[in-house]
This record gives sequence, C-alpha cells and structure tokens, in this order.
Amino acid sequence: DADVTQTPRNRITKTGKRIMLECSQTKGHDRMYWYRQDPGLGLRLIYYSFDVKDINKGEISDGYSVSRQAQAKFSLSLESAIPNQTALYFCATSEGQVNQPQHFGDGTRLSIL
Amino acid sequence: DQQVKQNSPSLSVQEGRISILNCDYTNSMFDYFLWYKKYPAEGPTFLISISSIKDKNEDGRFTVFLNKSAKHLSLHIVPSQPGDSAVYFCAASPGYQLIWGAGTKLIIKP
Repeated sequence: DADVTQTPRNRITKTGKRIMLECSQTKGHDRMYWYRQDPGLGLRLIYYSFDVKDINKGEISDGYSVSRQAQAKFSLSLESAIPNQTALYFCATSEGQVNQPQHFGDGTRLSIL
Repeated sequence: DQQVKQNSPSLSVQEGRISILNCDYTNSMFDYFLWYKKYPAEGPTFLISISSIKDKNEDGRFTVFLNKSAKHLSLHIVPSQPGDSAVYFCAASPGYQLIWGAGTKLIIKP
C-alpha cells in the first residue's frame, strides 16, 4: 500500500464548482504539503502544515484552502474552481526539518472546463 | 522570476555513459539542495541531497556537485541505465520551503 495516498487520481469538473482533493499518509510524519505542477514549471507550494494546529500559506495560496483533519489527513479545497487551476496536484509529507526528503503521493490530475 | 533553473528541458544519453544534469540558482541564501526523480503517473521520489557546506555528495551511481561561487549544481549518473529514464527535478531550500526547478527529462538510449 502507498504511504501517501491521494484521491481522486483524476477529476474533470466545471468552472465555479467546489472541489476537494484528499491526502492521507501512513508514514507518521507531522509535516504535510500541497503542491501544483504546471507544464514547463516546477512544483509550486500552495499550503503546508507542520502539525494539526499549524497551517501556512505557500507561494500560490490564492483561490485555495486547506484542512488538516488529523496528523494523517490533509485536504485541499478549491472553493470556486476556475480554468487556470487546471494542473497536476501533489501532496507530500516529511519529518523534522524542511531539508528532510519529502515523500509524495502519485498526484491528482485536475481539469476545469 | 525563477530562482531555480534547469535550462535543459531534455537530455538524451547512451546507456552505460555518464548523464550530467545541471541546475542553477540565484538566491545565495539557499542552504540545502535536493534532487528528485519522477516517473510518469507517479509522484517525485527523493534521490540525493547536498548541504551548502559541502561541494560533493555521493550515493552509489549518483553524485551531486555544488559550486557555490557559480551558484550551480550538477547531478552525475554513472553508468546510466535504462531505468534512469525519468524527469529529474532540482530543488533548493532557504530553510522553510523547497523551491523547485522545472525539471529535465532524461532519456537513456540502448
């Protein structure tokens, strides 16, 4: 079983819809992250959480919100999806300092029409 | 403005030869650098890292070199194997998050 599981793996939806992407982990890590990847660009950080009560905005948080329901669960929401949020989304976890390797899920491919 | 740049979108190397992937950065505050490998339909996986206090780190077939004065790092893979065909990302840390390059697609030819 995967250590970091993202659901759904693929999603197609319409502009204006609310969407939730979910991430769960069995690694026991405190730190969790949400990234998006666009063609020709590297991963960009949306939100990160160092523990259940600590949530921080990343580089591109506008239009997104997150919820850390438990140590193992970190969900990303798009309140009103727009086409330029079409991207590949990754969840990751790590332990300790940011220099510790991050462990990624296999991604959610999101298309907004 | 990209703080971490991987200027080669793709690289093709013969099996058994050396693969050299390059990464440039602009922020002198970066103190840790990591390389990740990504296969299609999978998330990135950690490969190797280097602290700014070092200039070389080696792990099996993989070696990362850091030239701080040039703000440049490179990943050497020797010998290259078919399973090394993937996208390689360089990432840098100023201490609180990772800044990622756009990736280089490495193709190992038989």
